[in-house]
Amino acid sequence: AQSVTQLGSHVSVSEGALVLLRCNYSSSVPPYLFWYVQYPNQGLQLLLKYTSAATLVKGINGFEAEFKKSETSFHLTKPSAHMSDAAEYFCAVSGQTSYDKVIFGPGTSLSVIP
Amino acid sequence: DSGVTQTPKHLITATGQRVTLRCSPRSGDLSVYWYQQSLDQGLQFLIQYYNGEERAKGNILERFSAQQFPDLHSELNLSSLELGDSALYFCASSDDRGTDTQYFGPGTRLTVL
Repeated sequence: AQSVTQLGSHVSVSEGALVLLRCNYSSSVPPYLFWYVQYPNQGLQLLLKYTSAATLVKGINGFEAEFKKSETSFHLTKPSAHMSDAAEYFCAVSGQTSYDKVIFGPGTSLSVIP
Repeated sequence: DSGVTQTPKHLITATGQRVTLRCSPRSGDLSVYWYQQSLDQGLQFLIQYYNGEERAKGNILERFSAQQFPDLHSELNLSSLELGDSALYFCASSDDRGTDTQYFGPGTRLTVL
């Protein structure tokens, strides 16, 4: 069984400050991990994904995430927040076969303060 | 634009009614997924189809059903609607690996009055 927890349902950062969104997963098999972003009134869009290659994954819009197996974590970071980063962020986990479902976390709403 | 289309964008109906939501996947994608997003339950996986066959089932109610047609578009049927069914319904598609990137449509907002 797989599950995802995201610490903090709401995070506020100042413009230009570091963004850190936390994700911890539980998986009985080697996982694939994803971060998706949802802007207001839109569908989800993939930011980045880990598929057992490099543990530091770079995504779009300056985001990156590091897979840490020992901590079962996949935290999302961005060095400098921009107003346009305000959105809902979802961490997700799946197994590595085509029959594995993708399980989404509850989401973290990011606010950026000018 | 993800390449996934969903119709209608908004749907308002009454309790007890039946509605059909439609999804067209990205060109070439064989897998279609349906999700329900509500404030109290978050993003819930409902069901996945792959090339016309049901592949995985999530938290889908018996009042709900889905199918994927030979042209790969999919429909989600919701019947005997209740107030609690009001939510955003997303469709996503991916290539035949299934666990690769899912591309989400813009969603259908269902309001049950």
